[in-house]
Amino acid sequence: AQKITQTQPGMFVQEKEAVTLDCTYDTSDQSYGLFWYKQPSSGEMIFLIYQGSYDEQNATEGRYSLNFQKARKSANLVISASQLGDSAMYFCAMREVTSGTYKYIFGTGTRLKVLA
Amino acid sequence: NAGVTQTPKFQVLKTGQSMTLQCAQDMNHNSMYWYRQDPGMGLRLIYYSASEGTTDKGEVPNGYNVSRLNKREFSLRLESAAPSQTSVYFCASSEFSEGEYNEQFFGPGTRLTVL
Repeated sequence: AQKITQTQPGMFVQEKEAVTLDCTYDTSDQSYGLFWYKQPSSGEMIFLIYQGSYDEQNATEGRYSLNFQKARKSANLVISASQLGDSAMYFCAMREVTSGTYKYIFGTGTRLKVLA
Repeated sequence: NAGVTQTPKFQVLKTGQSMTLQCAQDMNHNSMYWYRQDPGMGLRLIYYSASEGTTDKGEVPNGYNVSRLNKREFSLRLESAAPSQTSVYFCASSEFSEGEYNEQFFGPGTRLTVL
């Protein structure tokens, strides 16, 4: 069965430093998608970045990049130059195709705290 | 363009009471989803709907029913609320097409407490 694992319940990083949030996944599908979402304390879910399983290049969106290692089944999120506003919960998710639509499986999340 | 809207934002129920959480999206998405979020558990899928008139069970469907009223609306009903259903509920929608991001768009959530 498909599974997403985030092993870091909480992380701290100094402002302006880079931080890596870990995500590993398990799937037998050849075609899948990997997502990262941010959930600030206000509660909304904000889409950050996407990586398709056939994409050869690592995805980047501004200060966010996804370190995709397909053979190791990992999709780590790298946040460069951390800002205080990056303090939030971060979720890794995988998309699978089922019953004529997509299903999305989420990890348990990593709470990031950026220190001034 | 409101995206995904949910009502109510907060609700307190007594054990055994029933209620319906409403969700609507204006992005013309085919697929809609209901999740619950509990501390340390991430988001767990309750039910989803690939299109109008179809619904399927997710990971934690027990104690819930859903209705895909039309393409825009997907409601979640608790027939007899239990304290274990105290949670934050999120509705989401997405498109289903090859070769696109098809990320999910989430509503603001409903914080439900069952006493």
